[in-house]
Amino acid sequence: DVKVTQSSRYLVKRTGEKVFLECVQDMDHENMFWYRQDPGLGLRLIYFSYDVKMKEKGDIPEGYSVSREKKERFSLILESASTNQTSMYLCAITEGPTGELFFGEGSRLTVL
Amino acid sequence: LAKTTQPISMDSYEGQEVNITCSHNNIATNDYITWYQQFPSQGPRFIIQGYKTKVTNEVASLFIPADRKSSTLSLPRVSLSDTAVYYCLVGNNTDKLIFGTGTRLQVFP
Repeated sequence: DVKVTQSSRYLVKRTGEKVFLECVQDMDHENMFWYRQDPGLGLRLIYFSYDVKMKEKGDIPEGYSVSREKKERFSLILESASTNQTSMYLCAITEGPTGELFFGEGSRLTVL
Repeated sequence: LAKTTQPISMDSYEGQEVNITCSHNNIATNDYITWYQQFPSQGPRFIIQGYKTKVTNEVASLFIPADRKSSTLSLPRVSLSDTAVYYCLVGNNTDKLIFGTGTRLQVFP
């Protein structure tokens, strides 16, 4: 079974703090994604990575950066957290050539 | 921009069949059509995937016409536990996968 693990289910941070959200997968998948989800706005793609050290911007990359130093780990970084980044963050990988997505449990971030 | 358009919401009653249609006029030759279900505070979960014609599994059927510009997810005999948001997604393993707004299905007793 595919397993996608997000390091923290719930986080509370202060404005201006640097925040790291970690995502780890266990099956050597190449493609990894970060989405955020807000009420009424659905899932929006922030960044995705198709290999180690490779990344592409999604629809809403502003205020975020990513890191993929090892194949199994894809990190989302908020350099200076702001209140409008309070959201649910979801990591996903794709399985096989058809692009089937598997998601982690999500990380709910609150920025005060 | 999302490649798909779905109704924002649908209502049904327990035991009924529910059909949710998704429009994807600009689907590419190498795109697959995948449907996901999402409950509150959880990530979306794969339901069914197809390329053309009809696909059926233990939870749903997926109907895809020959031109592939739309697809219909069919949920037979829904129950209260099928209340969720359903997303249609088109793409393949080389794409950045963009979600549309999804369809919020409410099942009533």
